[in-house]
Amino acid sequence: EVQLVESGGGLVKPGGSLRLSCAASGFTFSDAWMSWVRQAPGKALEWVGRIKSKSDGGTIDYAAPVKGRFTISRDDSKNTLYLQMSSLKTEDTAVYYCTSRVWSGYSPLDYWGQGTLVTVSS
Amino acid sequence: NFMLTQPHSVSESPGKTVTISCTRSSGSIASNYVQWYQQRPGSAPTTVIYADNQRPSGVPDRFSGSLDSSSNSASLTISGLKTEDEADYYCQSYDSSNPWVFGGGTRLTVL
Repeated sequence: EVQLVESGGGLVKPGGSLRLSCAASGFTFSDAWMSWVRQAPGKALEWVGRIKSKSDGGTIDYAAPVKGRFTISRDDSKNTLYLQMSSLKTEDTAVYYCTSRVWSGYSPLDYWGQGTLVTVSS
Repeated sequence: NFMLTQPHSVSESPGKTVTISCTRSSGSIASNYVQWYQQRPGSAPTTVIYADNQRPSGVPDRFSGSLDSSSNSASLTISGLKTEDEADYYCQSYDSSNPWVFGGGTRLTVL
């Protein structure tokens, strides 16, 4: 069974930093493309960024609103995905979900974690 | 960049069939796979359709996905509606420049 468990959320002041983690199990983590997706209260899903598997180049891409402030990384030896967030703004307040994209041939199948809440407020 | 447009809300009665559309603004809907996610109130999203029309294990065959090239759209169809299907549904696709693009979500009410 695929499991993705996020941690590290909490309350942080504007301008502050926070690091989220996502512990993965039940699939070959090193082969998966991992993403962070967020959802502000009452709003739609918003993609934050993605890191490909090392075998596919390990490329990292970010959404425009977070580029230069957020950093995604992965530790395949620990089956863990990270999101380092800095220069946080009130508009970054959201539930942050970790997702894994497992490729079945050329077909992408996504699994989701339960999410962790980040609140940016003074 | 392209956008995916969904209706804000749909409603239907239990036992009926409902279809939710997802229209791509530019580029062919068939050029990249479309995924559909279900998000029940207070819960994380889960995948109900991937690769246009594939169901993950455990998703009932009441859920189906399709593409319509003439309208450049994807559709999620749920038949035999149950009250447990009441949720927000999001479509998602991508291209070489945009790794993940979400639709704005559709609130399904089963009344």
